[in-house]
Order: sequence, then structure tokens, then C-alpha cells
Amino acid sequence: AQSVAQPEDQVNVAEGNPLTVKCTYSVSGNPYLFWYVQYPNRGLQFLLKYITGDNLVKGSYGFEAEFNKSQTSFHLKKPSALVSDSALYFCAVRDLWAPRMDSNYQLIWGAGTKLIIKP
Amino acid sequence: KAGVTQTPRYLIKTRGQQVTLSCSPISGHRSVSWYQQTPGQGLQFLFEYFSETQRNKGNFPGRFSGRQFSNSRSEMNVSTLELGDSALYLCASSLTSGRVSSYEQYFGPGTRLTVT
Repeated sequence: AQSVAQPEDQVNVAEGNPLTVKCTYSVSGNPYLFWYVQYPNRGLQFLLKYITGDNLVKGSYGFEAEFNKSQTSFHLKKPSALVSDSALYFCAVRDLWAPRMDSNYQLIWGAGTKLIIKP
Repeated sequence: KAGVTQTPRYLIKTRGQQVTLSCSPISGHRSVSWYQQTPGQGLQFLFEYFSETQRNKGNFPGRFSGRQFSNSRSEMNVSTLELGDSALYLCASSLTSGRVSSYEQYFGPGTRLTVT
């Protein structure tokens, strides 16, 4: 079955330290991978995506993510955390081989990870 | 460009009532999707519209319906509200034209629906 797992409900990081939010996936074909962020009382914001090419993807607000095909992972990273990075982070995946893969019906969402950056 | 707008932002209804939520996508975006977000269930896909046609619907009862207009604006309707319908309803638009899709979605701020 196709799935996305965000194994940590919450991640706590001190400001200035590097942060990692984990995401692993399971799809039949090649994955299209996404990270979104949700700030309190706001909708989700697109951060970055991996479709093809370089395994290290750079996105908004200094975030980057590394696609690892052998480990089926797409962890979100940032070298130096800011208090303003505190938010809810969602990983999502599309299966390139799924029927009508261009439909959002086929987009599989992780449960979300709450990131707390402490001053 | 203006972002995705949703109205109203907050809504309080009683059980048995019906509600209509509105979404205006980013100019030029023809695909609109609706999601229900709750603490327990996370993000659940409701439906997706493209060029006034519903492309897909998630696993929600028939009380949930939607439509899209020729200007790509979309509405969703929930009839006979239940307490469990209390949630944040998110609308997202994306740039899709025929076989070309950018795939990333742009979300509105959501409508917070509380059913009492």
C-alpha cells in the first residue's frame, strides 16, 4: 500500500542548531515528493518539491530536503533553526505510476510533524 | 498575484444546518481542491475540480458537495451538519493545463467551521 510516514509527532530544536524533520514513503513507482509548512491559523505553504534530478532540493526560507531512493526518504533540513520556523510540517508524495497521478486525489499526505524551536 | 482567498474565515453553525464555503483561486489556476483538516485525521481530500468538472472525490458522505464556476471560483456545501464536521476546511489551487501540471498547490487560509 502507498503511504507516507512522518515518524515524529514533534521535534524540538534549540535556535541556531540544525534541524531535521523526517519523512519516509512507500509507492509503487517513482515518487514526486513535497514539503509544506503550516503556521498557526494559516493554510499550508509550499516549501519545496522533488520530481527528478539532483537529490538535494533547495526551497523557501533556507530549507532543503534530500531524496534518498534506497532509504525511501525525503528528510527536510535546515542548517540553523530560527524561532520563526516553529510550525507544522507536512510531507506528501505522488506516485508517478498511479492512474491519473496528476490528480490531487492521488496525493498522499503524512500526518504532520510539529516543529518547536526554542530560543 | 493575489493568493487563494477563502470566505468566510470563521463560521459557527448548529447541528442540522447547512453551510456553503467559498474559494477564489490564484488568477490563472484552473484546478481547485478542497481538504478537511482535523487534529485526529490530519488532511483529508474532499474533492478536486478542473474546468467546472469534478475530477475526483474523497471518501466523504454525500452531504459534502461542491462545484466550480467558469471563473474557477469554487464552493463547497455541507448539508445536515454533524458535530464531527467541525474542522478547518482548506482550499488549494494549482496550475494545471491539460497534461501540464506544476503539481504544487497553493492553499488559502482556510475556513474554521465549528458545529455546536
